[in-house]
Amino acid sequence: GAVVSQHPSWVICKSGTSVKIECRSLDFQATTMFWYRQFPKQSLMLMATSNEGSKATYEQGVEKDKFLINHASLTLSTLTVTSAHPEDSSFYICSASGTTEAFFGQGTRLTVV
Amino acid sequence: AQSVTQPDIHITVSEGASLELRCNYSYGATPYLFWYVQSPGQGLQLLLKYFSGDTLVQGIKGFEAEFKRSQSSFNLRKPSVHWSDAAEYFCAVGAVSTDDKLIFGTGTRLQVFP
Repeated sequence: GAVVSQHPSWVICKSGTSVKIECRSLDFQATTMFWYRQFPKQSLMLMATSNEGSKATYEQGVEKDKFLINHASLTLSTLTVTSAHPEDSSFYICSASGTTEAFFGQGTRLTVV
Repeated sequence: AQSVTQPDIHITVSEGASLELRCNYSYGATPYLFWYVQSPGQGLQLLLKYFSGDTLVQGIKGFEAEFKRSQSSFNLRKPSVHWSDAAEYFCAVGAVSTDDKLIFGTGTRLQVFP
């Protein structure tokens, strides 16, 4: 099946710094990718829809300036958490749309200290 | 409003016992329905999906699910649970186009006792 690679799998950063998370579709092209956030023992909440070659569409309540999304190619979308704070610590998961289903990355555990 | 409800937050079963995880959805259009499994600290793996046709769908790892339009349900079943099935299970609904987002339920944590 199709593979979506997410990198890094975990990252620890200092408060105030920025962190970039990459999401790659390895064997198919994805015009649309999605970024989700998952708090411990909770479900996945959609943060934004990443569209290749255009601006991302953010869900209500998600800060556009804090969570920068770039989808520069059909195989790569990036999420940058800017000026990270401890409350941004979470598990971030991306997905890419295939022909009939969405494929998920392995997730990135972000810890801001 | 579009939503997915998984009534059971936590289920415990004995190994070898049968399993049913409940999922109810509210969706305005024709839904695509999915069940995903997530191991701790991992991404999501698709167990099965329903688009149309036969309302009983077979998935990986011996799982199956039945779509019941009249009940707006898509319950996941397995006749005999294995210890390795212990994980978090998410039901999700989406639009016909896969470019549309998925709406996830809150998940059901499955614990399996030997």
